[in-house]
Amino acid sequence: DQQVKQNSPSLSVQEGRISILNCDYTNSMFDYFLWYKKYPAEGPTFLISISSIKDKNEDGRFTVFLNKSAKHLSLHIVPSQPGDSAVYFCAASGTYSGGGADGLTFGKGTHLIIQP
Amino acid sequence: DSGVTQTPKHLITATGQRVTLRCSPRSGDLSVYWYQQSLDQGLQFLIQYYNGEERAKGNILERFSAQQFPDLHSELNLSSLELGDSALYFCASSVLPNTEAFFGQGTRLTVV
Repeated sequence: DQQVKQNSPSLSVQEGRISILNCDYTNSMFDYFLWYKKYPAEGPTFLISISSIKDKNEDGRFTVFLNKSAKHLSLHIVPSQPGDSAVYFCAASGTYSGGGADGLTFGKGTHLIIQP
Repeated sequence: DSGVTQTPKHLITATGQRVTLRCSPRSGDLSVYWYQQSLDQGLQFLIQYYNGEERAKGNILERFSAQQFPDLHSELNLSSLELGDSALYFCASSVLPNTEAFFGQGTRLTVV
C-alpha cells in the first residue's frame, strides 16, 4: 500500500508559468515532508522541506504548502524555467511509536516538462 | 556534487552471484540510508544506519545486508542475485536521522 502518492506521472507547463506538483499521504504519523528533484543519471537532490507544524515554506521560486487535514502537500514553482524540467519526488518521514525512526517514504515521482 | 560518493557506478553480474556496493557519506554526516529504485518504481527505503548502528529497516530482502563502519562509510551486500534485483541503488546521508538527506549518484546494478 503506497503511503505517499503522486498521482500525476507527468506534467507539462509553459516556461514562465506556475508549476504545481501534488502529493498525498495516508500515514498520519508523518510529520516531515520533503521534495527532491532528480535529473537523469543523477541522484535525487533535496529541494525544500516542511514540518507538520507549518503550512507553508518558501525558498526563492519554490513554495511548499501542507494541508494536514487533507493529508496533501503541493510544490509550487514560480516562474517555471527550462532547468526545472526533471522528475520531482515527494517524500515523508516521521517518528513512530517506540522511538525508532524510519527512512524516507517516497512517492513514485512526477516528471515535470517545461516547454519554451 | 552532493558530497556522497558511491562506487562502483555500474555493475553487471550474473544470477546467483554476490556483490558489494560502497558508500562514503558527506563529511560530518552520521546517518546513512540505502534505497533501491527499480524500473517504474519510486525509491524504496532499504535500511538506515546511524553512527555505526542499524536504526531502521524497510523493504530489505533477507539476501541483502548492510553495515556501517567506524569511519562511517557503509556497504550494501547483495547475495544470491536474481534478475529482479537489477535496479539503481542509492545511498544517502544526513547529519541527523530524518532530516534533509543528500544522495549519491547511485550504483546501477544489472543482473544477467
